[in-house]
Amino acid sequence: AQTVTQSQPEMSVQEAETVTLSCTYDTSESDYYLFWYKQPPSRQMILVIRQEAYKQQNATENRFSVNFQKAAKSFSLKISDSQLGDAAMYFCAYRSGVFNKFYFGSGTKLNVKP
Amino acid sequence: DAGVTQSPTHLIKTRGQQVTLRCSPKSGHDTVSWYQQALGQGPQFIFQYYEEEERQRGNFPDRFSGHQFPNYSSELNVNALLLGDSALYLCASSQNVIVQDATNTEAFFGQGTRLTVV
Repeated sequence: AQTVTQSQPEMSVQEAETVTLSCTYDTSESDYYLFWYKQPPSRQMILVIRQEAYKQQNATENRFSVNFQKAAKSFSLKISDSQLGDAAMYFCAYRSGVFNKFYFGSGTKLNVKP
Repeated sequence: DAGVTQSPTHLIKTRGQQVTLRCSPKSGHDTVSWYQQALGQGPQFIFQYYEEEERQRGNFPDRFSGHQFPNYSSELNVNALLLGDSALYLCASSQNVIVQDATNTEAFFGQGTRLTVV
């Protein structure tokens, strides 16, 4: 079974600085997708960034980028120029290439200090 | 596009009662998945519906059941409620695609239904 582990329950960053959230996963599949979702107090899960396992190039979306290490099964999220609106719970998620269901980590609460 | 909508937003039920939660998927989506998110934890997969049938199921007891209607909307039913069923229930919709296009791999989530069992 697939598992996703986020070892940082909570992190803090100063506004305008950079922070990295960690995620590791375990799978025997070769085809899969990885995601970072943001969940603000409004509860709605919002997609931050997506990475296809078959792509070696790390995904980037504006201030958000990932460091995907397939052999190490590591998928970290880097947030640059942190903004107050980035404060939220961040979940790392794994999706099988075959089955359309997600496995989530336990989440990291990100605090952004002004 | 209204996105994924869930109702109700909050619900309080008594232990032993039954509850029905509802979800309307994003326009163009035909697959609905349900997740349970306990306080301080990540969402856990309950089951998934496609073409009005349960296609996959997570590690949840038979007290959890569902239904999908011809318009792709879905219901989650929980019988004989336990205190431990208190959680945020999230609905996620997606497209069932044969050829996997990365742009179609994400799931869109609703805002959830907060269920409190007392």
